[in-house]
Amino acid sequence: EAGVTQSPTHLIKTRGQQVTLRCSPISGHTSVYWYQQALGLGLQFLLWYDEGEERNRGNFPPRFSGRQFPNYSSELNVNALELEDSALYLCASSYHRDATGGWEKLFFGSGTQLSVL
Amino acid sequence: AQKITQTQPGMFVQEKEAVTLDCTYDTSDPSYGLFWYKQPSSGEMIFLIYQGSYDQQNATEGRYSLNFQKARKSANLVISASQLGDSAMYFCAMRVLQGGSEKLVFGKGTKLTVNP
Repeated sequence: EAGVTQSPTHLIKTRGQQVTLRCSPISGHTSVYWYQQALGLGLQFLLWYDEGEERNRGNFPPRFSGRQFPNYSSELNVNALELEDSALYLCASSYHRDATGGWEKLFFGSGTQLSVL
Repeated sequence: AQKITQTQPGMFVQEKEAVTLDCTYDTSDPSYGLFWYKQPSSGEMIFLIYQGSYDQQNATEGRYSLNFQKARKSANLVISASQLGDSAMYFCAMRVLQGGSEKLVFGKGTKLTVNP
């Protein structure tokens, strides 16, 4: 079974440009999460999509946006790139939380390393 | 506010020995889940172990065990019989419900180095 796949693996952009990162979840997973891992800051929660809708959003400016497609894949868009956007962007997927309230573990992709020059 | 604290930026252990990675958490939500993830240099995050807030027994997964002390709000990861391949970043994470939405919080991580 294929894991969470992200593309591209590496990306170099300049300040002010726009970037789109892509994520394909594990088959059967309906929830997709995006995280930013900047150097020394640990993982910061960006966005959570489930069943095509945005369910939750972290403390990031509006130039960070995304969407989830009917096949549950997802895109993360970052507009007007700034130097501090340089980071590893991780996507994770899980099954939708079931009616019993059970917690589902996340499965992560390998990430996209974004460098902003 | 929900928060995860990992106080050890780096840890060293000899191969075949056991090591404990510390994690404390803060939440007022009675229902939460605690996770540990491993991140090797490749960047991929690998799920290791999970503990639910209502679970009575400590979780174990092979060489990994979670020392869950609810009153102290700690969820330390114990790795037994360390292997060279265990060298990686380790993240403690907490998943809670907040205002009807899920929120996930990660610690800053601990870098584990296993020496031969």
